[in-house]
Amino acid sequence: QVQLVESGGGVVQPGRSLRLSCAASGFTFSSYGMHWVRQAPGKGLEWVAVISYDGSNKYYADSVKGRFTISRDNSKNTLYLQMNTLRAEDTAVYYCATNRRYFHLWDPFDPWGQGTLVTVSS
Amino acid sequence: EIVLTQSPGTLSLSPGERATLSCRANQSVSSSNLAWYQQKPGQAPRILIYGASSRATGIPDRFSGSASGTDFTLTISRLEPEDFAVYYCQQYGSSFTFGGGTKVEIK
Repeated sequence: QVQLVESGGGVVQPGRSLRLSCAASGFTFSSYGMHWVRQAPGKGLEWVAVISYDGSNKYYADSVKGRFTISRDNSKNTLYLQMNTLRAEDTAVYYCATNRRYFHLWDPFDPWGQGTLVTVSS
Repeated sequence: EIVLTQSPGTLSLSPGERATLSCRANQSVSSSNLAWYQQKPGQAPRILIYGASSRATGIPDRFSGSASGTDFTLTISRLEPEDFAVYYCQQYGSSFTFGGGTKVEIK
């Protein structure tokens, strides 16, 4: 079955960097757009970034534009999120999610990984 | 940016009752590109409805979605104990945005 497993979370000081990974299995990873979504403690969901199936198109939320970079390695079935210049307000559980339909970019998310917690604190 | 406003913030109901959750967009959502997700404590969200009214695979038929202009509704016909959770709407026609969520709690 489809499985998405995030890793790389942890505690990091403000201004520092962190890279998250999402290992995918159980489906043809190279055919699906992929997303990062975050959820601050006790808060709602916030979409962060999307990358097309072939990596040629990337879009970001205004809150992370210029600081975060989404990428993928289709040979390793892995999605990444490089997070630079981290702020306290970036503290959240970060989920990766795949699009419901292959080759689509503007699509609902199905399924989601279990998430990895990023805490930005001095 | 499309803003989605969900109401009510909290819905207190008993098992067996009907739940009606609302999601209003501040502008047109193209092609009914509206989804609903359920999230239980400590779990990732899971999709319930896409295209405003299509049930995702494996979702019971007590869950239904509808649309009228910029107003979207998720209805749970008879609440089961496992349905008490937080529900989010999402539009995916113009970038991606989520509503603030509605918590369905046991009365």
